[in-house]
Amino acid sequence: QVQLQQWGAGLLKPSETLSLTCAVYGGSFSGYYWSWIRQPPGKGLEWIGEINHSGSTNYNPSLKSRVTISVDTSKNQFSLKLSSVTAADTAVYYCARGIPNGYDILTGYYKSRYFDYWGQGTLVTVSS
Amino acid sequence: QSALTQPASVSGSPGQSITISCTGTSSDVGSYNLVSWYQQHPGKAPKLMIYEGSKRPSGVSNRFSGSKSGNTASLTISGLQAEDEADYYCCSYAGSSTFEVVFGGGTKLTVL
Repeated sequence: QVQLQQWGAGLLKPSETLSLTCAVYGGSFSGYYWSWIRQPPGKGLEWIGEINHSGSTNYNPSLKSRVTISVDTSKNQFSLKLSSVTAADTAVYYCARGIPNGYDILTGYYKSRYFDYWGQGTLVTVSS
Repeated sequence: QSALTQPASVSGSPGQSITISCTGTSSDVGSYNLVSWYQQHPGKAPKLMIYEGSKRPSGVSNRFSGSKSGNTASLTISGLQAEDEADYYCCSYAGSSTFEVVFGGGTKLTVL
């Protein structure tokens, strides 16, 4: 059974860097895309970005300038860093396993993902 | 502003059926049948209910079904039960030149 367990600092001051790590237990680490998704209090889900086992990344264009996602395949872990946080970054952050689907024969890439396993979520609050 | 539009709320009585819509464009929802649906209870992580438009993961009740017509995907829950009361989110690729995943704004299902 696949389990994702995440951890990181829950209280930050404006301008600091958010840092979270997600460990994957059970199942293969390769062949999937490992995502970070966040949810502000009382609001909907927002995809932040993803990484695969070889370190290839994709980011939400609205966050790209501040986001770095990295991977440590020796530990089956991946991490999120979000710089220069503000109160607008206050949210529950989830890690999730993304299954690539919708193979595009013209580009050789998969067009989409669906998320079958999720971490427990980490509330990150940004406040002075 | 979500790229995918969902109704803010829907409601139904136990035993009834409800449908939640997810409207995109011809570039995302309309292009391929790749929409996924997630159920989220308060304080919990989302749970995958439907993927690739109409496929159910192992363990998900067959009361949940997905479909698509044009640029709108739909999630139907039949035989409503109290435990179905939750928030539901659709998800699709954004259809842009770079890879991006987008979620709908979410729909609160109330079982009356």
